Amino acid sequence: DQQVKQNSPSLSVQEGRISILNCDYTNSMFDYFLWYKKYPAEGPTFLISISSIKDKNEDGRFTVFLNKSAKHLSLHIVPSQPGDSAVYFCAASGPLETSGSRLTFGEGTQLTVNP
Amino acid sequence: DVKVTQSSRYLVKRTGEKVFLECVQDMDHENMFWYRQDPGLGLRLIYFSYDVKMKEKGDIPEGYSVSREKKERFSLILESASTNQTSMYLCASRRTTRRSGNTIYFGEGSWLTVV
Repeated sequence: DQQVKQNSPSLSVQEGRISILNCDYTNSMFDYFLWYKKYPAEGPTFLISISSIKDKNEDGRFTVFLNKSAKHLSLHIVPSQPGDSAVYFCAASGPLETSGSRLTFGEGTQLTVNP
Repeated sequence: DVKVTQSSRYLVKRTGEKVFLECVQDMDHENMFWYRQDPGLGLRLIYFSYDVKMKEKGDIPEGYSVSREKKERFSLILESASTNQTSMYLCASRRTTRRSGNTIYFGEGSWLTVV
C-alpha cells in the first residue's frame, strides 16, 4: 500500500527553467509534508516542508505547494541549476504526538538539469 | 548542526553472517530510524525507536532487529545476512518537540553488499 507516490521516476529540464516535481498521497491523516534531496552515495538532506494549515511555503528558489483536496503537493525550483541534479523524495507524516508520526517516503524523482 | 554518524560506509559480508550497523547522533534526539533505499522503491522504514529501549516495527522489519540501549545510539542487526539485504541503509534522528517540526536528519548511509 503506497501511501505516498511520486509518479515520475525522472525529469529533465534546461538550466534557468522551472522544475516541477509532483507527489500524491492517500492518507488523509497526513498533516506535514517534506521534500528531501539526495546525491549519490550520500544521505538525504532536508530541503523544505509544509504544514497542512498552509497551501504554500517558499524558501529562496524552492516553493512547495499543497492541495489538500486533491491530496497533492509539488515542489517548484526556479531557476533550476545544474547543481540541483539529484533524486528528490517527497515525505509525509501524521501528527507528531501519534504513532503515525513516522515519515513515509515516495519512490523518488531523479531530476537532471542540463547546462 | 545535527550530526548523524553511521560507523561503516561500505561493507561486504557473506550470506549467513551476522551484521551490525551502528548509528550515533549528537543532538539528544528522542526518535531514531533505520531505512533502506533501493532503486525505484524509495526509502522504506525498517524499524524506529521513540526513545531509549523502545522500538517499533516499520514496513519491512523481517530479517532485521534493532537495539537502543543509549539515547544517542541505534543499532541495526541482520541476524543472518541474505543477498536480498544488499542495499543502502540510512539512519536518521528527530527531536519530538512541536517547534522542531517533523524534520528527520539522515546520516551518510551504509552500503552493504551480501555475497
